[in-house]
Amino acid sequence: DQQVKQNSPSLSVQEGRISILNCDYTNSMFDYFLWYKKYPAEGPTFLISISSIKDKNEDGRFTVFLNKSAKHLSLHIVPSQPGDSAVYFCAASGSTGGFKTIFGAGTRLFVKA
Amino acid sequence: SQTIHQWPATLVQPVGSPLSLECTVEGTSNPNLYWYRQAAGRGLQLLFYSVGIGQISSEVPQNLSASRPQDRQFILSSKKLLLSDSGFYLCAWSGGVGGTEAFFGQGTRLTVV
Repeated sequence: DQQVKQNSPSLSVQEGRISILNCDYTNSMFDYFLWYKKYPAEGPTFLISISSIKDKNEDGRFTVFLNKSAKHLSLHIVPSQPGDSAVYFCAASGSTGGFKTIFGAGTRLFVKA
Repeated sequence: SQTIHQWPATLVQPVGSPLSLECTVEGTSNPNLYWYRQAAGRGLQLLFYSVGIGQISSEVPQNLSASRPQDRQFILSSKKLLLSDSGFYLCAWSGGVGGTEAFFGQGTRLTVV
């Protein structure tokens, strides 16, 4: 049972435009959501997070939106840059369940110059 | 500052041979520790997590085992590798409370031949 789902395996965006990566979750006990960025042959690096008490968190070009009623979150990157090309993982955790972080399958973002 | 070390970076092993991957964390006490696997073209799958010495939770039935002999040491093992064990293995740690990001090692590329 996939508790965190990223239904788009890849996304292609023109440089300067907005990239929108989507993520859905099924477990209502999740209360903390994160986005990680991963380059080939490297470990993922933390990008941005949001607590379930908020619906938006912004950090520079990156904004994460959370819709709890829909169990949906999204990552917006604007403007997109070629260096943003990577695999982006959505993740979720909760204070119950042993603090496990569950990851989605990832979305590969291609930003074309 | 906290750092996480994972080795080796790459490993080629024959089918039926044993496996031992080691991960150590510095600069923090009582971390939550995780082993993830990223199979080719797939997302991050949580294999094991540990909230303390000797406390291991297994997420999926498999040919692998994990041990935590010391507070900041996490070991992934197998007695006999299978071809299906090939993948990219990642160790990670997070703080001892919920709602924090995980920090990843650089990963081990395991190829079973």
